[in-house]
Amino acid sequence: RKEVEQDPGPFNVPEGATVAFNCTYSNSASQSFFWYRQDCRKEPKLLMSVYSSGNEDGRFTAQLNRASQYISLLIRDSKLSDSATYLCVVNEPFSGGYNKLIFGAGTRLAVHP
Amino acid sequence: EADIYQTPRYLVIGTGKKITLECSQTMGHDKMYWYQQDPGMELHLIHYSYGVNSTEKGDLSSESTVSRIRTEHFPLTLESARPSHTSQYLCASSEASGATEQFFGPGTRLTVL
Repeated sequence: RKEVEQDPGPFNVPEGATVAFNCTYSNSASQSFFWYRQDCRKEPKLLMSVYSSGNEDGRFTAQLNRASQYISLLIRDSKLSDSATYLCVVNEPFSGGYNKLIFGAGTRLAVHP
Repeated sequence: EADIYQTPRYLVIGTGKKITLECSQTMGHDKMYWYQQDPGMELHLIHYSYGVNSTEKGDLSSESTVSRIRTEHFPLTLESARPSHTSQYLCASSEASGATEQFFGPGTRLTVL
């Protein structure tokens, strides 16, 4: 079982649609959570952190359910520029008191006119 | 924009050549990472460093080696390139403390003929 699992998509949606991505993680000791965005043939960039109480940034809302080990990202009013791959990222404790980021394989979103 | 740089951006080279992929960051981050990513696939951690003179192998076995002689510099070397090394190589860095985001360089797209 992968440590971070995502639906690979692609999600093909029209402009203005609301789309939700889900992600599950296997390590209950995971400490922090992020959504990254990666455009085609580009590097990943942080979209938003995910907090236990849920958080919103404009059209983007992230939710965390620690009991179910589940993270979600909701995008409202989709724009053409939202087309990208969205990576679910989990920070896990590691040996020596360190931690490391585990990246999901990503969910591809294609927004069409 | 993150201050992390990679050179070259693109490299096409013949089998058996020795290559070094450069990565440098000006943010003073102690932690640095190398990931390998094939098109449409997830990132795999191949090396990481927690500071000067610290290097560790990541989750994915790699024939490459790294060094960390200076905080800002984390080069990756392949002694003898093979077609199986064809991939995108992404360098990242993060602050030493806490579960913070990683900042990625633009990547080096390597093709070994």
